[in-house]
Amino acid sequence: QQPVQSPQAVILREGEDAVINCSSSKALYSVHWYRQKHGEAPVFLMILLKGGEQKGHDKISASFNEKKQQSSLYLTASQLSYSGTYFCGTEIDKQGAQKLVFGQGTRLTINP
Amino acid sequence: SAVISQKPSRDICQRGTSLTIQCQVDSQVTMMFWYRQQPGQSLTLIATANQGSEATYESGFVIDKFPISRPNLTFSTLTVSNMSPEDSSIYLCSVEEEDEKLFFGSGTQLSVL
Repeated sequence: QQPVQSPQAVILREGEDAVINCSSSKALYSVHWYRQKHGEAPVFLMILLKGGEQKGHDKISASFNEKKQQSSLYLTASQLSYSGTYFCGTEIDKQGAQKLVFGQGTRLTINP
Repeated sequence: SAVISQKPSRDICQRGTSLTIQCQVDSQVTMMFWYRQQPGQSLTLIATANQGSEATYESGFVIDKFPISRPNLTFSTLTVSNMSPEDSSIYLCSVEEEDEKLFFGSGTQLSVL
């Protein structure tokens, strides 16, 4: 079952904050976040495994709610380099990254 | 992290022909994965390739259309057979590293006329 991402697209000015959500009607085993710049391969950002978990590095962080049905990716004081499409991925049948179903993506545009 | 080389990076093909995409990894990996990304869309898993056994295909993908080879632990190929314009997509190979991280090749952009 494909997770649902929102919003589908965001346009920000440099320095503004963004939140991208990933949700499912069923509890998830984990949530994986990736960023893909235009014409490039997706790049791993982080994985959350436990309900209530929060994780982050630099100005990009993420949370996984207690029920494990929603994850949010937070980008604070956005930089031009944050532009790209963000995908969340969820596991099928607890088989790890071997079986990921990705959301439809959120396109983030950062303008100077 | 693994370094993944994928060839060709792009190709334009005629309807009815086949294209083989190669994926080379700089380290031995148990499983390699092939994904498809249609224009402006998400990533969809096509199949999982294990060395020494038949590839495992996801729903909606069949071996006759997307035959996969995995001759050793560092190499795999995906063939897109009897192509139609609907096959125009980006095809990506990937491997899983520690902590369940996926690393992707740079992709093959395929256009079918």
